Amino acid sequence: EAGVVQSPRYKIIEKKQPVAFWCNPISGHNTLYWYRQNLGQGPELLIRYENEEAVDDSQLPKDRFSAERLKGVDSTLKIQPAELGDSAVYLCASTPGLAGGENEQFFGPGTRLTVL
Amino acid sequence: SQQGEEDPQALSIQEGENATMNCSYKTSINNLQWYRQNSGRGLVHLILIRSNEREKHSGRLRVTLDTSKKSSSLLITASRAADTASYFCGGSNYKLTFGKGTLLTVNP
Repeated sequence: EAGVVQSPRYKIIEKKQPVAFWCNPISGHNTLYWYRQNLGQGPELLIRYENEEAVDDSQLPKDRFSAERLKGVDSTLKIQPAELGDSAVYLCASTPGLAGGENEQFFGPGTRLTVL
Repeated sequence: SQQGEEDPQALSIQEGENATMNCSYKTSINNLQWYRQNSGRGLVHLILIRSNEREKHSGRLRVTLDTSKKSSSLLITASRAADTASYFCGGSNYKLTFGKGTLLTVNP
């Protein structure tokens, strides 16, 4: 069974540029998460989707971040414009079912973003 | 704010020794989960313990949960060099919130 796929794995951009990350969750997983992990820290939830609905986006900086999960499968996370402080690893995870944090989460390898 | 806080921040042991990591959390949880993260990789789920459980085993892993103290511990027995990684605990109350992690180094 294929795991969570993310691309690109690495991205280097200059500040004020836009950037997008893509995630393909495990087939059949209804719930999808985007996390940001700063160096030396644990992952912090940005947004959680149940199918195509964003059910928790309280931690998403909405002035520059946006996300979508069309058709309830793949998801894209966008930053526009990027700032120096956005340098981090962006992780995508998925779980079967719709129970939020009640089940094991399956993580992708992440996208390491460097903003210069 | 982070729900889980791991202790110690870093731990270095010899292969074959046991490693114990602790986790404290702040609010009530439905379950607590432990994950491992190898350098440059995503997190891998190790074990989930529900709030009505006190102890759980999985292979060389033993997890305890004390809800009265809002704390958990992860014991890795007979450690191997391949266990070298960062370990995170996450408390879940319909939302999984991670601590900063413990960096475990197992020296061959």
